[in-house]
Amino acid sequence: LAKTTQPISMDSYEGQEVNITCSHNNIATNDYITWYQQFPSQGPRFIIQGYKTKVTNEVASLFIPADRKSSTLSLPRVSLSDTAVYYCLGTAGGYNKLIFGAGTRLAVHP
Amino acid sequence: EAQVTQNPRYLITVTGKKLTVTCSQNMNHEYMSWYRQDPGLGLRQIYYSMNVEVTDKGDVPEGYKVSRKEKRNFPLILESPSPNQTSLYFCASRGAGRNTDTQYFGPGTRLTVL
Repeated sequence: LAKTTQPISMDSYEGQEVNITCSHNNIATNDYITWYQQFPSQGPRFIIQGYKTKVTNEVASLFIPADRKSSTLSLPRVSLSDTAVYYCLGTAGGYNKLIFGAGTRLAVHP
Repeated sequence: EAQVTQNPRYLITVTGKKLTVTCSQNMNHEYMSWYRQDPGLGLRQIYYSMNVEVTDKGDVPEGYKVSRKEKRNFPLILESPSPNQTSLYFCASRGAGRNTDTQYFGPGTRLTVL
């Protein structure tokens, strides 16, 4: 079973870079690492996905070490609107059964 | 606009009264899934469907049924709801590829069972 472990909460201030690390010791060889963002009372929204090394898009960067047992989501220069819960996604029994961990609640302060 | 819709958005019902929460997607996605979200427990998968007439259990299927008679629809059925099924429910869909495909989530249905 590929479970993920993340910090429960983090605090930051506007303009800072935020790094959220996820542990996924049992990730399958062929599985990708995916991160989602969720605002209160809304469905999760895809942020970024990667397999190894580094991936960057207009929202975030994702760093994955060679052993793929962890990954780090990096949010550059956060703003108040980045306050949300961030989920690192694991899988079990193939990519059909998707496992969301408890997520990391990020609070961005003025 | 590509989207996943759910109905109703809010529902209050009583124990034992059968209910159905509908889910529909307009992206021609093969894969659809239902999740429930509870405080402190995150999102847990209830059922998923790989395609029409193909469904399978997720992590918390007890007390729920699903059907996939059409590609675009994936209703969640509670035959005899109980208070422990009070939760926020999300439907999601994605394409048939491996997990490189993004999941799109619906807006959620907040269910209260009295």
